[in-house]
Amino acid sequence: AQSVTQLGSHVSVSEGALVLLRCNYSSSVPPYLFWYVQYPNQGLQLLLKYTTGATLVKGINGFEAEFKKSETSFHLTKPSAHMSDAAEYFCAGPNFGNEKLTFGTGTRLTIIP
Amino acid sequence: DTGVSQDPRHKITKRGQNVTFRCDPISEHNRLYWYRQTLGQGPEFLTYFQNEAQLEKSRLLSDRFSAERPKGSFSTLEIQRTEQGDSAMYLCASSFVETQYFGPGTRLLVL
Repeated sequence: AQSVTQLGSHVSVSEGALVLLRCNYSSSVPPYLFWYVQYPNQGLQLLLKYTTGATLVKGINGFEAEFKKSETSFHLTKPSAHMSDAAEYFCAGPNFGNEKLTFGTGTRLTIIP
Repeated sequence: DTGVSQDPRHKITKRGQNVTFRCDPISEHNRLYWYRQTLGQGPEFLTYFQNEAQLEKSRLLSDRFSAERPKGSFSTLEIQRTEQGDSAMYLCASSFVETQYFGPGTRLLVL
């Protein structure tokens, strides 16, 4: 079964600094991967989606992610952090043979003014 | 496109009571999913419907949990004889193909 691992349960960056949130998937190449964002007491909002093809994926709010097969990674980046980016971020991928998503444990992003 | 909606948004109940949650998916989506999220964790899959057929249930879904999607539109998730360990956020998602869109969730607190 597919699994995803998020390194770093908490990440703090200064406003205007680069945001880098890490996600690695298990060795089987997934047909698709997602990043979702969750604000306090809310559901998950889709940030971006990777499907087989383009390895650099652009999402909403200035986020992008690069799929690197050689590193089994799908890290999320944003060039310049904004206070409104403070939230929890989840990487997710499919379990082969069925429809459910497997989520990482999440990374809480804090923005320092 | 009005998005996925869930009702209620919050529920407080006493241990042993039954609760029912409702999810209304995006109208053209034939797939509907339920997940549970506890504090500090990612969502965990509970069950999945394609149209009205329940195609998969997680081992997390004990006999006290039941889900239905009677006409392939909205879905309900019922928890009988609630326990304190059931306290969590219950998330519903829907999809037409692979991308799942989530509702705002129902936060359950069992006292």
